[in-house]
Amino acid sequence: SQTIHQWPATLVQPVGSPLSLECTVEGTSNPNLYWYRQAAGRGLQLLFYSVGIGQISSEVPQNLSASRPQDRQFILSSKKLLLSDSGFYLCAWSLLAGTDTQYFGPGTRLTVL
Amino acid sequence: AQTVTQSQPEMSVQEAETVTLSCTYDTSENNYYLFWYKQPPSRQMILVIRQEAYKQQNATENRFSVNFQKAAKSFSLKISDSQLGDTAMYFCAFMKNSDMRFGAGTRLTVKP
Repeated sequence: SQTIHQWPATLVQPVGSPLSLECTVEGTSNPNLYWYRQAAGRGLQLLFYSVGIGQISSEVPQNLSASRPQDRQFILSSKKLLLSDSGFYLCAWSLLAGTDTQYFGPGTRLTVL
Repeated sequence: AQTVTQSQPEMSVQEAETVTLSCTYDTSENNYYLFWYKQPPSRQMILVIRQEAYKQQNATENRFSVNFQKAAKSFSLKISDSQLGDTAMYFCAFMKNSDMRFGAGTRLTVKP
């Protein structure tokens, strides 16, 4: 069966510091991968998605970036965090682009102080 | 752009009773997918139910069922025999071509 991991689970970072959040999927090959952000009390906002290694699509312009160095690894990064980057970050995967259900990881709670 | 509206920020229901959560969406597309996800206090998003727009039959999953009205662009979730473990945020979502849009959520509390 497929499983999705995210780490760290929680992170507290000062403004201006770099960020690296990691997501990995097990039990499948060539998944579609997604990064979402959930602000407090809000729904999810799609940030990036990837259909393959090195292929990243950005949905929202911001100071965040994503990379997919390996088939089942998806990384969310920032060079300099802003206060507004605080939130809950969720990674998700699906098998078929456009028709398949997305399954979510446990999330990372990021607090920028 | 597609938008998803959940007009009930909070709802409560007595244990063992039935509750319906509302969701409407706006799209000009004909083929798409609709979902309900549950987010318990652990914050992990859990799939509750999925509906393909080309299917007229409403999806069901044990105690969870939907009322899908395509012409009205409505997709409500009915939870029967509510259990304490159903307490969570519930999100309605619309998907077209891997672009998934979420509503703001409904906080459901099941009372003993």
